[in-house]
Amino acid sequence: LAKTTQPISMDSYEGQEVNITCSHNNIATNDYITWYQQFPSQGPRFIIQGYKTKVTNEVASLFIPADRKSSTLSLPRVSLSDTAVYYCLVGPNAGNNRKLIWGLGTSLAVNP
Amino acid sequence: DTEVTQTPKHLVMGMTNKKSLKCEQHMGHRAMYWYKQKAKKPPELMFVYSYEKLSINESVPSRFSPECPNSSLLNLHLHALQPEDSALYLCASSQGGGYSGNTIYFGEGSWLTVV
Repeated sequence: LAKTTQPISMDSYEGQEVNITCSHNNIATNDYITWYQQFPSQGPRFIIQGYKTKVTNEVASLFIPADRKSSTLSLPRVSLSDTAVYYCLVGPNAGNNRKLIWGLGTSLAVNP
Repeated sequence: DTEVTQTPKHLVMGMTNKKSLKCEQHMGHRAMYWYKQKAKKPPELMFVYSYEKLSINESVPSRFSPECPNSSLLNLHLHALQPEDSALYLCASSQGGGYSGNTIYFGEGSWLTVV
């Protein structure tokens, strides 16, 4: 059963690039990697999803090496409003009976 | 802004009360979910409805009873809860079904306190 491991917490400053790495050594062939952001008192919000190599959208990039045993979420030029918990998930994208595996979350604090 | 709406945002109930949490989505999604989240923990899946039918029950105690009146609505009926059931209850939806079902969209949650 796949398991995801990510740092418990990270600190950064406004304007810096933040990279959060997630380890998923037992990822299955048809598993995708998904990242969610959660602010206090709100539900998680989808950030980005990928299968291999690099994916980029308007808020983040996701880097996945060829062996897919880890992935790195990259947040460019963070601001105070990026302070949140970031969850790494591994699981099938659709139509499968295997459960999405959530990491324990990385609490990111962005300082002025 | 989330497109999954949950009510109430806060609920305090006694252990002998019966209450319900409600969820609504208008994205045409065919799968709807209930998750439970304790402080500083990731969400835990409770139930999945796919095409208005209960497809997954993660061994949730019977004091939690889900209901899907139609493809846009999802309820969670609560009865005889325990203080340890106090948590944030999240509703979510996705285009697909099953455990994954593509991107999952979450509501803001209902904070439940059992006294």
